Amino acid sequence: EIVLTQSPATLSLSPGERATLSCRASQSVSNYLAWYQQKPGQAPRLLIYDASNRATGIPARFSGSGSGTDFTLTISSLEPEDFAVYYCQQRSGWTFGQGTKVEIK
Amino acid sequence: EVQLVESGGGLVQPGRSLRLSCAASGFTFGDYGMHWVRQAPGKGLEWVSAISWDGTSIGYADSVKGRFTISRDNAKNSLYLQMNSLRAEDTALYYCAQRNIHGYFEYWGQGTLVTVSS
Repeated sequence: EIVLTQSPATLSLSPGERATLSCRASQSVSNYLAWYQQKPGQAPRLLIYDASNRATGIPARFSGSGSGTDFTLTISSLEPEDFAVYYCQQRSGWTFGQGTKVEIK
Repeated sequence: EVQLVESGGGLVQPGRSLRLSCAASGFTFGDYGMHWVRQAPGKGLEWVSAISWDGTSIGYADSVKGRFTISRDNAKNSLYLQMNSLRAEDTALYYCAQRNIHGYFEYWGQGTLVTVSS
């Protein structure tokens, strides 16, 4: 089973700052990795698929990069609505990382 | 508009069974693979089970293998999860999700809560 490890567990930032979230796979997943955003009381929302493609309706401030075992989600300038928990997911076995919480500093 | 509506959750004693349902609308249900994902209170997402568009390919997380059974009825636009031998650690919000053409979960329901407790 492929294990996804996200870091940091919590990211404390202010609106307007840049957020950089990491996801590392225990073995190569090629580019078959997605990122989801989850806000309290809501279902997850697909942000990025195949490592770097934005899903429908996702703002351009969200970008993804990486391949193999190391991936990054970048939010270029945090908006108030971006404070949430973010999960990565690999496509071959659909396992999720443990999540990174982006909180207001 | 794509809609996924889960039902069937509730309070159940350890060792008992429960059957979850997910009613789909707004898309051609029989064209898509479907999944169950759960989230224990205050915890992260855990993939539970998957079923292909025609029901011929099925997968389970190790944590539920042998106890849970996924199925679907394309004529009724419905997805199911039969959960047997429930344990306290199965307590979670259970989501159904549609796997899109890229292989990821684009649409999610709002979840149904399963609580396993005596």
